[in-house]
Amino acid sequence: DIQMTQSPSSLSASVGDRVTITCRSSQTLNNYLNWYQQKPGKAPKLLIYAASTLQSGVPSRFSGSGSGTDFTLTISSLQPEDFATYYCQQHYTTPCSFGQGTKLEIK
Amino acid sequence: QVQLQQSGPGLVKPSQTLSLTCTISGDSVSSNSAAWNWIRQSPSRGLEWLGRTYYRSKWYNDYAPSVKSRVTVNPDTSKNQFSLQLNSVTPEDTAIYYCSRSVDDMGFDSWGQGTLVTVSS
Repeated sequence: DIQMTQSPSSLSASVGDRVTITCRSSQTLNNYLNWYQQKPGKAPKLLIYAASTLQSGVPSRFSGSGSGTDFTLTISSLQPEDFATYYCQQHYTTPCSFGQGTKLEIK
Repeated sequence: QVQLQQSGPGLVKPSQTLSLTCTISGDSVSSNSAAWNWIRQSPSRGLEWLGRTYYRSKWYNDYAPSVKSRVTVNPDTSKNQFSLQLNSVTPEDTAIYYCSRSVDDMGFDSWGQGTLVTVSS
């Protein structure tokens, strides 16, 4: 199975900050990499698929990049509603697998 | 807009079978471009994909190796639903269970509301 490692595990930031979360896979993914946002008590929400394609309805301050085994999620200017936990997920192979999550907290 | 509504018990006894159902609105379980998935989440295991069913001229299933000997995901075309059965549960199976849709290579774009299932006597 492919292992997904996110960094950092937690992050404190302020409204308006630019934030980057990193996801590394144990083998190349051919860009089959998605990003999700999860708020407490809610299901995850798809933000970005295919490494860099913004899901419909997701604000443009979210962006994804990367290839091979290294990927990043960037939030260009944090808004109050962005404080949540973020997960990467690979679906290059079955079973798909998720990172352990990055909790974004208010500084 | 696709909506997924989960139903099923929140408490299961050890060694028994966990059964959950996901009712689909706004899409078809027989869609030729979607797959219907079960995913669970616990503090110890994080987000864990369990299995899926999908139709591509015939029905297919895939399962996670970690649960493959105990899990079944079945479609019900008459009710536009799909179900999860997990046999021989232990307290390690305590988690929030989600049903979810994936479309082609786009990831899990629709989710059910989640069901907290506790395995306890």
